[in-house]
Amino acid sequence: EVQLLESGGTLVQPGGSLRLSCAASGFTFSNYAMSWVRQAPGKGLEWVSGIWSSGGSAYYADSVKGRFIISRDNSKNTLYLQMNSLRAEDTAKYYCAKYNSNSYLYDLDVWGQGTTVTVSS
Amino acid sequence: IQLTQSPSSLSASVGDRVTITCRASQGLGTFLAWYQQKPGKAPKLLIYAASTLQTGVPSRFSGSGSGTDFTLTISSLQPEDFATYYCLQLNTYPHTFGQGTKLEIK
Repeated sequence: EVQLLESGGTLVQPGGSLRLSCAASGFTFSNYAMSWVRQAPGKGLEWVSGIWSSGGSAYYADSVKGRFIISRDNSKNTLYLQMNSLRAEDTAKYYCAKYNSNSYLYDLDVWGQGTTVTVSS
Repeated sequence: IQLTQSPSSLSASVGDRVTITCRASQGLGTFLAWYQQKPGKAPKLLIYAASTLQTGVPSRFSGSGSGTDFTLTISSLQPEDFATYYCLQLNTYPHTFGQGTKLEIK
């Protein structure tokens, strides 16, 4: 069964840092681009970041560029999101999601259940 | 790329035909997907490449469009279809979602 399991969400103070992890199983992780998507309480979905299968290229939403870093360890089948200089507006449930391929990206076809980050003093 | 969904909310009855639109600020080709999300759950992929039904999704869901204008149609609403629907563009980074359409029971 294809599965994504996020972890690392917690309460953190403004200006703090946090690293989220996403453990993948049931598919060849190194063959697929991956993404992080977030959803603030009561709000819509926001694409945060994406990374190619090799880890060679990464992309970010303007709202997190320069503060967040996406990375992956294909030997551990794990995706990461390093979150720095956290702000109250980063409070959200963070989903890990798998793209359909590594070339022509038509969708995010598998999603985890999410991990919650709360930024508050 | 900005995606604008309309309407933002919609009340409908079981058996109704419903159409949700997604308009992009730039051409997307067919790099657009549709998702359904229920409260407390992860989004579920319904349609990809603008009009291809994801495996296992009921055939009452359909998608159409290309370029800047796209539609999601539910031909005959079922009780389990009441949820929030989002479009996602994958043509250009950063990928972006529409603001969502909440489909409620009339």
